[in-house]
Amino acid sequence: GAVVSQHPSWVICKSGTSVKIECRSLDFQATTMFWYRQFPKQSLMLMATSNEGSKATYEQGVEKDKFLINHASLTLSTLTVTSAHPEDSSFYICSASRRELSPDTQYFGPGTRLTVL
Amino acid sequence: KQEVTQIPAALSVPEGENLVLNCSFTDSAIYNLQWFRQDPGKGLTSLLLIQSSQREQTSGRLNASLDKSSGRSTLYIAASQPGDSATYLCAVPGGGSEKLVFGKGTKLTVNP
Repeated sequence: GAVVSQHPSWVICKSGTSVKIECRSLDFQATTMFWYRQFPKQSLMLMATSNEGSKATYEQGVEKDKFLINHASLTLSTLTVTSAHPEDSSFYICSASRRELSPDTQYFGPGTRLTVL
Repeated sequence: KQEVTQIPAALSVPEGENLVLNCSFTDSAIYNLQWFRQDPGKGLTSLLLIQSSQREQTSGRLNASLDKSSGRSTLYIAASQPGDSATYLCAVPGGGSEKLVFGKGTKLTVNP
């Protein structure tokens, strides 16, 4: 149980285009979803936290107008990288949690590799 | 601000060896600590979660210990196997919320 999927698993796009990444909790309802970014040989860095039906909370230094997050339902959150540039190339990982299910546990998706040319 | 450091950054051992991975954190006011495994280009697999009231957790050949007062945790892997080759990440809650602060990981290679 507690499976999180991401789509697509990888994407290559041209500079200036927008890319949408989906994060789904397959067998549970996620009250909170988290979006992380991981550069090569670096830590996972939290970008934003989203709760269903409310605006996402962004970490310091993350541009909310560039990284649009929508958590429209209890099983789906999307991250849209707008006007992507090569420096946005990274590995994006989402996680989901449900406090009632397991208060200390985040279930991680398999990640999405974004390459911006 | 919570910071997590993992030492060593990389480790290469022959199959069968016992090994220890280290994790340290700057703010000891944590309520748990987690160890994850990440295979190349993949997401994270949770290995062990230690609550602040616990000193250690065991799962198969893995044993994780936690010393909150000194800000340290260790992950002990017994009788290592080539399939254990991966990057191991340590994470603690940060900022009094559910968000996790990760170390950079230790890349483990177990040679057959």
